[in-house]
Amino acid sequence: GEDVEQSLFLSVREGDSSVINCTYTDSSSTYLYWYKQEPGAGLQLLTYIFSNMDMKQDQRLTVLLNKKDKHLSLRIADTQTGDSAIYFCAESRNTGRRALTFGSGTRLQVQP
Amino acid sequence: NAGVTQTPKFQVLKTGQSMTLQCAQDMNHEYMSWYRQDPGMGLRLIHYSVGAGITDQGEVPNGYNVSRSTTEDFPLRLLSAAPSQTSVYFCASSQKLQGYEQYFGPGTRLTVT
Repeated sequence: GEDVEQSLFLSVREGDSSVINCTYTDSSSTYLYWYKQEPGAGLQLLTYIFSNMDMKQDQRLTVLLNKKDKHLSLRIADTQTGDSAIYFCAESRNTGRRALTFGSGTRLQVQP
Repeated sequence: NAGVTQTPKFQVLKTGQSMTLQCAQDMNHEYMSWYRQDPGMGLRLIHYSVGAGITDQGEVPNGYNVSRSTTEDFPLRLLSAAPSQTSVYFCASSQKLQGYEQYFGPGTRLTVT
């Protein structure tokens, strides 16, 4: 995951907004993804954004993409205790053999 | 559809033992892959396959073999287990290599003593 970087931990209070950030290095990235992993489970796709978009909103989730700075963020509005999980940013590239390159994950802790 | 299934869920091996982690999908996906997840390192690609009979190495292939004799199954073999292979292993599949959602299995937690 050295090409995709995330902060390791974020703590918020229930009802607040959470913003999880991610930076990537490959300008040929085509799709950028956010996955959620709950304890003891596999990864679940939350949302994705195509590289020619700036923003995508899906209910409580807002994804912002700054392609110039290679910066991706996930905003969760009205964060709930059920949102506590590890969130992985991942990129998909036009070239190479990897389907996805993952960041190391951000652990979101939601305090009641 | 069962999606992506993995067995076993947990496994303990002694150093030098061999074993096979099973992965199956019932979505007729072309692309299948194996990742390992270690604390603070995200998911690293071990091997992948773009179709039956076609496999290739990912970024951390040493100590692992794969085969893809059918579209549905993609087993991962540990030839001679080492403590460094203690990890959680995830299998994933998608319709094609690029631009499609990756579906993940529930994972196999492997401990090598």
